[in-house]
Amino acid sequence: SQKIEQNSEALNIQEGKTATLTCNYTNYSPAYLQWYRQDPGRGPVFLLLIRENEKEKRKERLKVTFDTTLKQSLFHITASQPADSATYLCAGTGGQNFVFGPGTRLSVLP
Amino acid sequence: NAGVTQTPKFQVLKTGQSMTLQCAQDMNHEYMSWYRQDPGMGLRLIHYSVGAGITDQGEVPNGYNVSRSTTEDFPLRLLSAAPSQTSVYFCASSYGATTLPGNTIYFGEGSWLTVV
Repeated sequence: SQKIEQNSEALNIQEGKTATLTCNYTNYSPAYLQWYRQDPGRGPVFLLLIRENEKEKRKERLKVTFDTTLKQSLFHITASQPADSATYLCAGTGGQNFVFGPGTRLSVLP
Repeated sequence: NAGVTQTPKFQVLKTGQSMTLQCAQDMNHEYMSWYRQDPGMGLRLIHYSVGAGITDQGEVPNGYNVSRSTTEDFPLRLLSAAPSQTSVYFCASSYGATTLPGNTIYFGEGSWLTVV
């Protein structure tokens, strides 16, 4: 079945460093991938979208890559801040619906 | 800007009880869906609708029922609650199905359901 995998272990980094989160997809080829941020007790909020024919997409301190050979997307937050601490979800198109990964919890330590 | 509104925020049910989670959106989105989120499993699609009068099953539909009588509303009914349905439920809407480029999903704030 179509699957999106993310590192389920929490990622702890120091403030000011670059956080890199990984999203891998299996058993299908999504036309595009999306990244969402979810804060505790809240619903996910859309951050970025990248299409399969795009190698890289940027938005302020965020950067997303899409490698169809590796079947992987990387999500980078540069100059990370404690306010970036949250769970980040990767989602891929799959038929009429999205397939979501379990999310990776990021903690940025001051 | 209300976006996607879900009620109730928290609910405790006894096994066998039924209830309805309400969802409304004010963005004139055709596509609405319900997800459940469980630890380590991510968001799983329960039911979805591509427009008023049209609904379909997602990945985990058993024990749930939906209807879409208007574009704005998409209620989720638990027919006979079971402890396995203890979860966080999210309603979501989008302009169209995922085949449309640039489409994004707007989520509600979630409904925490506990079945005892």
